[in-house]
Amino acid sequence: SYELTQPPSVSVSPGQTARITCSGDALPQKYAYWYQQKSGLAPVLVIFEDTRRPSGIPLRFSGSSSGTLATLTISGAQVEDEADYYCYSTDNGVNHEAVFGGGTKLTVL
Amino acid sequence: QLQLQESGPGLVKPSETLSLTCTVSGATISNTSYYWGWIRQPPGKGLEWLGSAHYDGTTFYNPSLKSRLTISVDTSKTQFSLRLTSVTAADTAVFYCARHSSYYDSSGYVKTSPDYWGPGTLVTVSS
Repeated sequence: SYELTQPPSVSVSPGQTARITCSGDALPQKYAYWYQQKSGLAPVLVIFEDTRRPSGIPLRFSGSSSGTLATLTISGAQVEDEADYYCYSTDNGVNHEAVFGGGTKLTVL
Repeated sequence: QLQLQESGPGLVKPSETLSLTCTVSGATISNTSYYWGWIRQPPGKGLEWLGSAHYDGTTFYNPSLKSRLTISVDTSKTQFSLRLTSVTAADTAVFYCARHSSYYDSSGYVKTSPDYWGPGTLVTVSS
């Protein structure tokens, strides 16, 4: 089965740049999506189709993808960005196997 | 403004069938661009994509659950539903319904991704 791999945790100080990675064999051919989940709440889409930002998402959130690695970057991370972040993508086959990465806990302090 | 709301029993007995409904408001459930699907999250764990369905009957399922899972869309009620049979304690989770955007990849296959989510509902499997 298809898998996406994320680091379990990332820690930065306020104002620093946080980078969260997501590794998957099909990422060169398939889009990556990123979701932010704060404690007790439903996930929110912050990046779609590798690099696009939904309306209402702050400019400090950006996405990139190169080869088998997708990256979510938070430039000038703020305390309110502390959350779990999940990547999502699909495999290359006809059967639409979709998966989430294991999630990364971002600590900003 | 799009809103999704899950509903259903919060407690299901082992070996029984878990049934949930998601009511959609602020959007047309028969819009050809969208699929409607479910994601779950066991307590303290990560997200698991379950599947998605189009109003035309097209469905995609997580291979690990395909034999137990049915997702369907009811355009007359602007609702879609999930049925998961033969549940065990391992199925205890917060279940989220979500609209899925779709696109065709370079091989012509449809791929979907959740964009708007409901608030989630906790379902516990216990006797």
